[in-house]
Amino acid sequence: EDQVTQSPEALRLQEGESSSLNCSYTVSGLRGLFWYRQDPGKGPEFLFTLYSAGEEKEKERLKATLTKKESFLHITAPKPEDSATYLCAVLTYSGGGADGLTFGKGTHLIIQP
Amino acid sequence: NAGVTQTPKFRILKIGQSMTLQCTQDMNHNYMYWYRQDPGMGLKLIYYSVGAGITDKGEVPNGYNVSRSTTEDFPLRLELAAPSQTSVYFCASSRLEEGTIYFGEGSWLTVV
Repeated sequence: EDQVTQSPEALRLQEGESSSLNCSYTVSGLRGLFWYRQDPGKGPEFLFTLYSAGEEKEKERLKATLTKKESFLHITAPKPEDSATYLCAVLTYSGGGADGLTFGKGTHLIIQP
Repeated sequence: NAGVTQTPKFRILKIGQSMTLQCTQDMNHNYMYWYRQDPGMGLKLIYYSVGAGITDKGEVPNGYNVSRSTTEDFPLRLELAAPSQTSVYFCASSRLEEGTIYFGEGSWLTVV
């Protein structure tokens, strides 16, 4: 069974304090790893897709990296507006079709001014 | 640019009632999905569709039904609502099987 585990569950940082969120996965065949941001009362908003180990993508203060077992979302000099829940999800070959994504439970990030 | 639109935003149902959550997308995506999100849990796939006339079960399909008569619309039907169906429901779509999945704003459903 495909599993996605995100850590920590919650993280509180001071503005400007850089850190990383972790997403570890156990899957039979990875087609892609996705990062989403979710604000309270909203749907998940797409951030990045990573397809192969060693791949990196950046957007503003966020940088996502991928290895064969885990992905990191690095947040550099965060601002209060970066506060949100960050979701990791994997798309795998195990379903043989468009089975959709398997999601982790998310990391709730709070950036204090 | 509407993207994925869900209605209603909020709904309270009594046990045993039925209702339909509406979902429409204007991106001409072939793939559409319904997820539910419970507090402290990851999003779970209920049903998905790879095109008009084709639907399939996801991880948690019991108590739900779907149809896909057009590319744009993918309604989710709840029959005989139960308290366990209290959740936030998200409709989503993607152009390709491995493409980015875009989500709607969610529908908050409470069954009492």
